[in-house]
Amino acid sequence: EIVLTQSPGTLSLSPGERATLSCRASQSASSTYLAWYQHKPGQAPRLLIYDASNRATGIPDRFSGSGSGTDFTLTISRLEPEDFAVYYCQQYGSSPWTFGQGTKVEIK
Amino acid sequence: QVQLQESGPRLVKPSQTLSLSCTVSGGSISSNNYYWNWIRQHPGKGLEWIGYIYYTGSTYYNPSLKSRVTISVDTSKNQFSLKLSSVTAADTAIYFCAREPNVAGAGFFDYWGQGTLVTVSS
Repeated sequence: EIVLTQSPGTLSLSPGERATLSCRASQSASSTYLAWYQHKPGQAPRLLIYDASNRATGIPDRFSGSGSGTDFTLTISRLEPEDFAVYYCQQYGSSPWTFGQGTKVEIK
Repeated sequence: QVQLQESGPRLVKPSQTLSLSCTVSGGSISSNNYYWNWIRQHPGKGLEWIGYIYYTGSTYYNPSLKSRVTISVDTSKNQFSLKLSSVTAADTAIYFCAREPNVAGAGFFDYWGQGTLVTVSS
């Protein structure tokens, strides 16, 4: 099973700042089979990015994904108030699909 | 707009079977374009994929849970269901249902339910 490690665990930033979130896989399953989700308490998780760099429908262009192999990054170019949430990465290159433990982006 | 909604008992006794349903609205569960998944989140921890079902009834489960999991589909109700047998406190979690596109290379989830907390306790 592929283990995904996200860093940092918590990111304290101010609105308007840039957020850079990392996701590292314990092994390379498939070069770009990675997704990112945003999750707020009590809400349904929201797909942001799939195939490492493709934005899902309706996702603002301030969200971008990059990486391949074992190292992936989610970048939020300028944080908006609604972006403060927990972000998860997920790999689907090797069964079983697995998720990272999450990065919390909180208001500084 | 597709919506998924989980339902079922919130409290289950140890050794019993956890049963949840997911009702899909705004789209047909019989579409050949999607797989229907269950995912859970232990309190304060990350997410764990449980398994999926296709509208034909074909299933695939996480090997770590395979011996205790059954996912079924009821196309007449536009619902799919999860049964997890012989539960323990370690099965206490928020359970989500989610939709996965049936396209080559897809394994991500484009729509999720809000999740339902199920507690295993006597």
